[in-house]
Amino acid sequence: KAGVTQTPRYLIKTRGQQVTLSCSPISGHRSVSWYQQTPGQGLQFLFEYFSETQRNKGNFPGRFSGRQFSNSRSEMNVSTLELGDSALYLCASSLDGTGATGELFFGEGSRLTVL
Amino acid sequence: AQKITQTQPGMFVQEKEAVTLDCTYDTSDPSYGLFWYKQPSSGEMIFLIYQGSYDQQNATEGRYSLNFQKARKSANLVISASQLGDSAMYFCAMSQVSGGGADGLTFGKGTHLIIQP
Repeated sequence: KAGVTQTPRYLIKTRGQQVTLSCSPISGHRSVSWYQQTPGQGLQFLFEYFSETQRNKGNFPGRFSGRQFSNSRSEMNVSTLELGDSALYLCASSLDGTGATGELFFGEGSRLTVL
Repeated sequence: AQKITQTQPGMFVQEKEAVTLDCTYDTSDPSYGLFWYKQPSSGEMIFLIYQGSYDQQNATEGRYSLNFQKARKSANLVISASQLGDSAMYFCAMSQVSGGGADGLTFGKGTHLIIQP
């Protein structure tokens, strides 16, 4: 079956702009979670959506937001971009998001560069 | 709070040798899941293997096995007969199952594995 699809794969923005990233989960998966990966901080949890509801959020400022649609596709938005937002943004999908079954699969990521 | 420690920032291994990547974890929750992911230079996180805290047997997936020692809070990944294509970053991660929702995976800093011919 098709894997997790993230778009765009690469993008360049300037400080102060905003960006929207998209994630299409594996068919049948209802949970989508987002992670930020940087060389300094490593992989950090942003938030998780299940059935269009945000269930949990990591320790990120309010500039980072997301949403999930009825077809389980998810978008995340970063407003007022800062240089430190340059990162690989990874989306992961799973059946129920708890990690209980081990089914948690990642996309290839969206690499954001902020100039 | 959960914590994952990977003490090997980098490893060089000869092709066809077995590799053990170390991972220790810390959690106060009785129910949790442990994952290993491979991340090649392309960036994609590739799922390798999963171990639930209540699983009695060590997980295996092809050439990958997870050496789960619950009392020591360790979850080492063993790759048998390493191949050149195994060169990548490897991440150990933990999920909290008892929370009822997804609190997110806690990742270690990773081990950069390089397989030499």
